Amino acid sequence: ELKVEQNPLFLSMQEGKNYTIYCNYSTTSDRLYWYRQDPGKSLESLFVLLSNGAVKQEGRLMASLDTKARLSTLHITAAVHDLSATYFCAVDIISGGSNYKLTFGKGTLLTVNP
Amino acid sequence: EAGVTQFPSHSVIEKGQTVTLRCDPISGHDNLYWYRRVMGKEIKFLLHFVKESKQDESGMPNNRFLAERTGGTYSTLKVQPAELEDSGVYFCASSQWVGGTEAFFGQGTRLTVV
Repeated sequence: ELKVEQNPLFLSMQEGKNYTIYCNYSTTSDRLYWYRQDPGKSLESLFVLLSNGAVKQEGRLMASLDTKARLSTLHITAAVHDLSATYFCAVDIISGGSNYKLTFGKGTLLTVNP
Repeated sequence: EAGVTQFPSHSVIEKGQTVTLRCDPISGHDNLYWYRRVMGKEIKFLLHFVKESKQDESGMPNNRFLAERTGGTYSTLKVQPAELEDSGVYFCASSQWVGGTEAFFGQGTRLTVV
């Protein structure tokens, strides 16, 4: 059974600081996703990582993937209050070319304080 | 273009009652997925429709849950009778092509069973 572990589950940061959220998964997967969710809103896709060594950046967020270690990181640079949200990582396995069945981590609740 | 929409956004019902959740996917998306997040736990896959057919319902918790997608457009998820442990947030997602594109999530329906 595929398991996804995120840590930390709660993160309180000061504005301007850097931090990293980690996502470990238990078996080989085809794709790794990072989502952001604001309270009461939908899950917003941030990054989709497909291959070993993949690195993607958007603004103050950078995601990377190490498939050999089964580890993805979401790095936050110079945090600002607007980044406060819950961040989820998720992986999926495409079976027979016909699936999009995500296994999620528990999420990291990020609070950025002034 | 409208995103994935879910109705209602919040529902409070008594144990033993019936509740029906609705999901309208993005127009033209053949694939529709239901997920659920119980308080403090991971978001878990429930089932996957391709058009009106159930592709994978391995995540449905028990036979009190019935999902339908008549005509391959919107989908409903009925819980009958509801139990306390059914409380959580139910997410719907849709995607155009299986395995090739990512899915887009709705804002979720928060179900509270009292």
